[in-house]
Amino acid sequence: LAKTTQPISMDSYEGQEVNITCSHNNIATNDYITWYQQFPSQGPRFIIQGYKTKVTNEVASLFIPADRKSSTLSLPRVSLSDTAVYYCLVGRYNQGGKLIFGQGTELSVKP
Amino acid sequence: EAGVAQSPRYKIIEKRQSVAFWCNPISGHATLYWYQQILGQGPKLLIQFQNNGVVDDSQLPKDRFSAERLKGVDSTLKIQPAKLEDSAVYLCASSPDRGSYEQYFGPGTRLTVT
Repeated sequence: LAKTTQPISMDSYEGQEVNITCSHNNIATNDYITWYQQFPSQGPRFIIQGYKTKVTNEVASLFIPADRKSSTLSLPRVSLSDTAVYYCLVGRYNQGGKLIFGQGTELSVKP
Repeated sequence: EAGVAQSPRYKIIEKRQSVAFWCNPISGHATLYWYQQILGQGPKLLIQFQNNGVVDDSQLPKDRFSAERLKGVDSTLKIQPAKLEDSAVYLCASSPDRGSYEQYFGPGTRLTVT
């Protein structure tokens, strides 16, 4: 299973765009990249998933370069309610794999 | 649609006592997971069920932890006897099928062992 590395914490201000980068140098051909968000006292929530290039949904964008050794989660115009822990996961879940969470990035959005 | 339900939300017990957690997954979801989340860490998978069969329990401390999913719907996770290091949040999640990257998590049960 590919190991992921992401910053332990990040600070931002309301209205800014936040980019969280995750490194996964040993990603395998069949691995997908998935991001989860966890608010305090809640279970994690799926945000976005991708394989290559760019994926966008109503919550975030995911940028994956051609070599797929890293990925960047982009949150546009964050608000205080985006304060949470963000987890980057890599694996072939759709082939029976399992989610392995790392420590995540604790994002703090300030007014 | 209703989300994953868990109870109780909080539990405080003394070490060596037993405790049980209950989970009701989203209707129709075949796969159910139990995770343990220690403060400051990401969730760790304890056991995965596909319908009422165990798919993966490689990280379940079987000397003290047990889990069952009768009739392929609700599930119960039990700890007996509890240790101080079992203090954590126990999360239940479900997904429509095995290995889905999109799992739906419940609110968790916060266990404190004193």
